[in-house]
Amino acid sequence: QSALTQPRSVSGSPGQSVTISCTGTSSDVGGYNFVSWYQHHPVKAPRLMIYDVSQRPSGVPDRFSGSKSGNTASLTISGLQAEDEADYYCCSYAGSYTVFGGGTRLTVL
Amino acid sequence: QVQLQESGPGLVKPSETLSLTCTVSGVSITSYYWSWIRQPPGKGLEYIGYIFYSGITNYNPSLKSRVTISVDTSNNQFSLKLSSVTAADTAVYYCSSGYYTGKFDFWGQGTLVTVSS
Repeated sequence: QSALTQPRSVSGSPGQSVTISCTGTSSDVGGYNFVSWYQHHPVKAPRLMIYDVSQRPSGVPDRFSGSKSGNTASLTISGLQAEDEADYYCCSYAGSYTVFGGGTRLTVL
Repeated sequence: QVQLQESGPGLVKPSETLSLTCTVSGVSITSYYWSWIRQPPGKGLEYIGYIFYSGITNYNPSLKSRVTISVDTSNNQFSLKLSSVTAADTAVYYCSSGYYTGKFDFWGQGTLVTVSS
C-alpha cells in the first residue's frame, strides 16, 4: 500500500496561515471521513490535532482546522506561532487498515 | 490521566523476533482499542496494527505475516511481536490508544529498537 502524499515542507511567518495538503485515493481519503492529523515535535510523542476530518480534540487550539475535498484532505493553521514548528502527518482509514502520509515539516520563519 | 509506557530490548539481531510491551495506566485496558505505530529513522509514521481486549486484531497488510499483537488484561498491558526482523525494522516504536479510524488519542514516548548483529 502507498503512503498518502504530503508536501515535504511548508513555511510561514508568525501570524500568517498555512495549509498542508494530504492526497490519497478513493480507497482511503476520498472513501471515508476518517482522516486525522498529528503534530510531531522531535523526541516527543505525536499529538492528535484533528480527527474525523475536522474534529478537534479537547485542548487543541481552534487555530487548527481540517477539511476534505474529494481525495485530498487539508490541515490549516491560522495565526502561526513559533511553537507550531513541527512535523505534521495525516492519517486515513483505507478499508482494511490505516495509512499515514509521509509527513510535512512546518517551519515558522 | 492516561499514560502508556513501552518496554523491551533496544537491540535485536537480524532474523530474530522483536518483542515489546506497552503498560497502560490511568484507564482499564478494556476501555479502548490499542495500537502499535513505528517511525524508521528519517522516515514517516507507519501503522503496525491494533487489538481490542476481546482479542480482535487488525494488522498492516505489509507486515501481517510477521506481526502478532496480544493483550494481557490482568496486567493492563498489550504486546507486539515482529518476527524475522531485518535492518528495515529499525525504528522508534510507539504504543497508542485507537484503531482503524486513525484517532490515536494517547501515546507512549516511544522506544528505539535497532536491528543489528
